[in-house]
Amino acid sequence: NAGVTQTPKFQVLKTGQSMTLQCAQDMNHEYMSWYRQDPGMGLRLIHYSVGAGITDQGEVPNGYNVSRSTTEDFPLRLLSAAPSQTSVYFCASSTPWRDEQYFGPGTRLTVT
Amino acid sequence: AQSVTQLGSHVSVSEGALVLLRCNYSSSVPPYLFWYVQYPNQGLQLLLKYTTGATLVKGINGFEAEFKKSETSFHLTKPSAHMSDAAEYFCAVRSRDDKIIFGKGTRLHILP
Repeated sequence: NAGVTQTPKFQVLKTGQSMTLQCAQDMNHEYMSWYRQDPGMGLRLIHYSVGAGITDQGEVPNGYNVSRSTTEDFPLRLLSAAPSQTSVYFCASSTPWRDEQYFGPGTRLTVT
Repeated sequence: AQSVTQLGSHVSVSEGALVLLRCNYSSSVPPYLFWYVQYPNQGLQLLLKYTTGATLVKGINGFEAEFKKSETSFHLTKPSAHMSDAAEYFCAVRSRDDKIIFGKGTRLHILP
């Protein structure tokens, strides 16, 4: 099993550009989530999904969109990047009872 | 709303000394509680978890934590610190609406 994979590992965007961060898992987990990590702020939940076709907002959803068309994939879209979105982004998937999350390696995004 | 407070953004201990990282939570329902560790430039890895049952839980690398409902605490301990324990540690709680919320993290420094 590859676990949770994320692409790209690094990305530099200009303000106003759009992009999609990819996340995939091969553990057949229904629950997936996106976090951003900033110094001194810990991990903050952006969006999460409890299954295909179902998504919901987390703590900091503004500026981000998600969709969940399959169990395996949970992409995160930035429609118009802003410098405030410079961060490290982690995708995670969780066991059915939410008693363990598996994290991807992260995407380091810089918006100039 | 559920929340997690980690006391001390940086903690330094000498090699061989006791490690104590503090975590307090708020939850309106019986919580699931977690400690995750993040080594530099890596994703997060589960150290240990409390779901139900025994309140003293043991994790990997010699760490353990005790769930104290009366104190709403879930402090992480290790009897003897090792240089390889230097990392950032995150406490997390699963909320009643299925979100998993993280604290801001504590960076553990090990002094030779």
